[in-house]
Amino acid sequence: ETGVTQTPRHLVMGMTNKKSLKCEQHLGHNAMYWYKQSAKKPLELMFVYNFKEQTENNSVPSRFSPECPNSSHLFLHLHTLQPEDSALYLCASSQGRTYLEAFFGQGTRLTVV
Amino acid sequence: GENVEQHPSTLSVQEGDSAVIKCTYSDSASNYFPWYKQELGKGPQLIIDIRSNVGEKKDQRIAVTLNKTAKHFSLHITETQPEDSAVYFCAASGVNAGGTSYGKLTFGQGTILTVHP
Repeated sequence: ETGVTQTPRHLVMGMTNKKSLKCEQHLGHNAMYWYKQSAKKPLELMFVYNFKEQTENNSVPSRFSPECPNSSHLFLHLHTLQPEDSALYLCASSQGRTYLEAFFGQGTRLTVV
Repeated sequence: GENVEQHPSTLSVQEGDSAVIKCTYSDSASNYFPWYKQELGKGPQLIIDIRSNVGEKKDQRIAVTLNKTAKHFSLHITETQPEDSAVYFCAASGVNAGGTSYGKLTFGQGTILTVHP
């Protein structure tokens, strides 16, 4: 285990559903991230939170809504998704500031039907 | 923004051979270059990293080299084993106006490494 836990591991949802992905880190880090991993594409950074404040939104559609209530927890709220949003969603954390090493969770495999 | 190119996309070697994966980056301000290994059904795991103030770093069978002038860096795995089979990603981290990056990584496309027994 890397110290970053994501739930659920798998999720199938319809285009009209609302669901949430959860990430929890047990490493005492201050920065947390959401990445999207699609087939045959590089990992894409979606959001960055540092000390609970969003510091990066990489032009992500509004149907993805992040929430970071504290430095240990990160959520990704999903609504009215499209089939092309099907992917592996990875959460990561790092100590933030000048500490660059990012530790990833195992991801949530999302399928939009 | 930063752009990272990774080659080859697939690499097949015999057990005991060496494997080399190469990456180039575009932003000369990038100063942190990690390599991640992703096994099936798992998230990427950091295996080695290098910062711009050194040219080479080794950790047992793996090594990374960095050429800042040419803006490329490479992963070298010696004496490969079947358990080295995985997808390998290189990444580069730029810096923001404040001089910190908060781990904002730009990833390469990945290399599927297969080690045949």
